[in-house]
Amino acid sequence: DIQMTQSPSSLSASVGDRVTITCRASQGIRNDLGWYQQKPGKAPKRLIYAASSLQSGVPSRFSGSGSGTEFTLTISSLQPEDFATYYCLQHNSYPCFGPGTKVDIK
Amino acid sequence: QVQLQESGPGLVKPSETLSLTCAVSGYSISSGYYWGWIRQPPGKGLEWIGSIYHSGSTYYNPSLKSRVTISVDTSKNQFSLKLSSVTAADTAVYYCARDLAFDYWGQGTLVTVSS
Repeated sequence: DIQMTQSPSSLSASVGDRVTITCRASQGIRNDLGWYQQKPGKAPKRLIYAASSLQSGVPSRFSGSGSGTEFTLTISSLQPEDFATYYCLQHNSYPCFGPGTKVDIK
Repeated sequence: QVQLQESGPGLVKPSETLSLTCAVSGYSISSGYYWGWIRQPPGKGLEWIGSIYHSGSTYYNPSLKSRVTISVDTSKNQFSLKLSSVTAADTAVYYCARDLAFDYWGQGTLVTVSS
């Protein structure tokens, strides 16, 4: 089974900050990874697919990188609407989400 | 625009079977893709339950496989989840989604397991 870890599990940041979240897979998953944003009471929303491709309609301040076992999601300039929980998902083998990273206001 | 909508009972008794349906609009299931179910216990993370291909072949999370059945009805453009022998640990918001990369999601439905 492929296990996913995320770091940090939570972070506090200010509007305008650059934020980076890391996701690691227990074995190589090529670029079969997506990033999702979830706000309270809402369904997750896909931000990034294939590790680095921006989902249509998602602001360009979001970017993804990585391949193999280590991946990052970067928010270049945090906006008020970006405070949420972020999950990575690998679908190289049976789909498995990371445990999540909660981004809240400093 | 692809839209998914979950429906089913919000309360299920322990040991009984949870049954949910996901109605799809804006895309024909028979055209392709896997169609799946994900759940999220209150205050916790996301767990993939299983998925079904438009042809009917299924793919289940090994940890739930013994209790899960997913089926598809292409004539109604919907697919369904059955989870048997439920316990309080199965209380969660249940989401349906398209593809194994989950590009489109339903809004989710809370299912509580309680007597």
